[in-house]
Amino acid sequence: DAGVTQSPTHLIKTRGQQVTLRCSPKSGHDTVSWYQQALGQGPQFIFQYYEEEERQRGNFPDRFSGHQFPNYSSELNVNALLLGDSALYLCASSPRSGNTIYFGEGSWLTVV
Amino acid sequence: KNEVEQSPQNLTAQEGEFITINCSYSVGISALHWLQQHPGGGIVSLFMLSSGKKKHGRLIATINIQEKHSSLHITASHPRDSAVYICAAHSGSARQLTFGSGTQLTVLP
Repeated sequence: DAGVTQSPTHLIKTRGQQVTLRCSPKSGHDTVSWYQQALGQGPQFIFQYYEEEERQRGNFPDRFSGHQFPNYSSELNVNALLLGDSALYLCASSPRSGNTIYFGEGSWLTVV
Repeated sequence: KNEVEQSPQNLTAQEGEFITINCSYSVGISALHWLQQHPGGGIVSLFMLSSGKKKHGRLIATINIQEKHSSLHITASHPRDSAVYICAAHSGSARQLTFGSGTQLTVLP
């Protein structure tokens, strides 16, 4: 079991560009959540997907969007990148019932 | 005020010391997680608690639902325990985690 996998692990983008981050959940998990973690801070909830729909959303602007595919994998898209978007982006997967949660290794995004 | 508060923010200990990290929360929860994050970024779940106490090796986690407080204890600390420890509250209705800001633990040899 590969657990939660994320790609890419590191990337550098320029202000104004767009980025897509990818996440494959742990086998048997159908719910994917995305978190942003700025340096020295705890993760902040961006949004959660299950049944291919965004179910909950944190306090993030519309520049942050996502998608979930029929195989439960998910993408996080960020448009019009700002310097402040530089952070570790974490994907977590969980089953529909229960509170078990697994995290990926994260994608480090640097905006220059 | 954050919904999940952790203390201390930073903790330095000598190898072998007993360590306690505290977490208080103001939200109603269905479970509380203790997580470990190493410098590479990946997060590992140590414990998931909804009541009482759990033990795994040298790690012990307790939760008091009435007082909305949880503690993570590390006995006989070791330099390899050096990491950021984060508590996160799982609210039953929202199915999302609200994180504390983390405790940076450094254990010196």
